[in-house]
Amino acid sequence: DGGITQSPKYLFRKEGQNVTLSCEQNLNHDAMYWYRQDPGQGLRLIYYSQIVNDFQKGDIAEGYSVSREKKESFPLTVTSAQKNPTAFYLCATASGGAGDTQYFGPGTRLTVL
Amino acid sequence: RKEVEQDPGPFNVPEGATVAFNCTYSNSASQSFFWYRQDCRKEPKLLMSVYSSGNEDGRFTAQLNRASQYISLLIRDSKLSDSATYLCVVPKGTGFQKLVFGTGTRLLVSP
Repeated sequence: DGGITQSPKYLFRKEGQNVTLSCEQNLNHDAMYWYRQDPGQGLRLIYYSQIVNDFQKGDIAEGYSVSREKKESFPLTVTSAQKNPTAFYLCATASGGAGDTQYFGPGTRLTVL
Repeated sequence: RKEVEQDPGPFNVPEGATVAFNCTYSNSASQSFFWYRQDCRKEPKLLMSVYSSGNEDGRFTAQLNRASQYISLLIRDSKLSDSATYLCVVPKGTGFQKLVFGTGTRLLVSP
C-alpha cells in the first residue's frame, strides 16, 4: 500500500505540552514538507527537507522543530512556544526536481485545550 | 499584488453547468502552476498541472495567461461530486520547489 501516512488523525493537547506529529512515506521521494492550514487561509509552509539529515525553515517555523534521520520519515514537533497551535497539519512529499508536484498525506488535526 | 489571489466564492451552479475560476499571481518568473482540489476536512489532491499555455483533462481545462499573470480553471458539465474547494498553486521563485497556495475557491454544485 503506497503513499503518505500521517498519525494520529486527531490530536488533543493541553497548553504547555510538546507534541510530535508523524509523517511517513514509501514513495521514495527525496523532498518532504510540513504545512499548516487555518480556516480562510492558504497552506503555510513550516519546514521542508530536500534530503536526509538536512532541513530548512519555511515561512512560519517559530515554535516548531523537525528531524530527517531517514528518507521515509519527517516528524514535526509542535512545542509549547507555538502560540496558536490549533490547526490542520499537512505533510507533503515530492520527488525533488524543480517543477515537481507535491503529494499530501491525510493530515493531522491538532486541537489545544 | 498578493503572491496568489483567488475569489473565495462560493460559486453555486446547477448540475451540468459550466463554471470558471480565475487565479492571479505575482511572480512573473513562475514556469509551472497547479490546481488542487480539497474536500472538506481532507487533504489537497492534485487536479491538474499547467506548464505551458494550458492543459485539458476530460471536463477540466486549465489556461495560462502569462502576459496578464493569471490562470483559469474551466469545469464543463458540472457534477455533484465536483463540489469542493479548488486551490491555485504557484511556485515561489525558481529552483527548489516551494509552493504558494491560494486560499481557494469554493464550488457548490446543486441538483
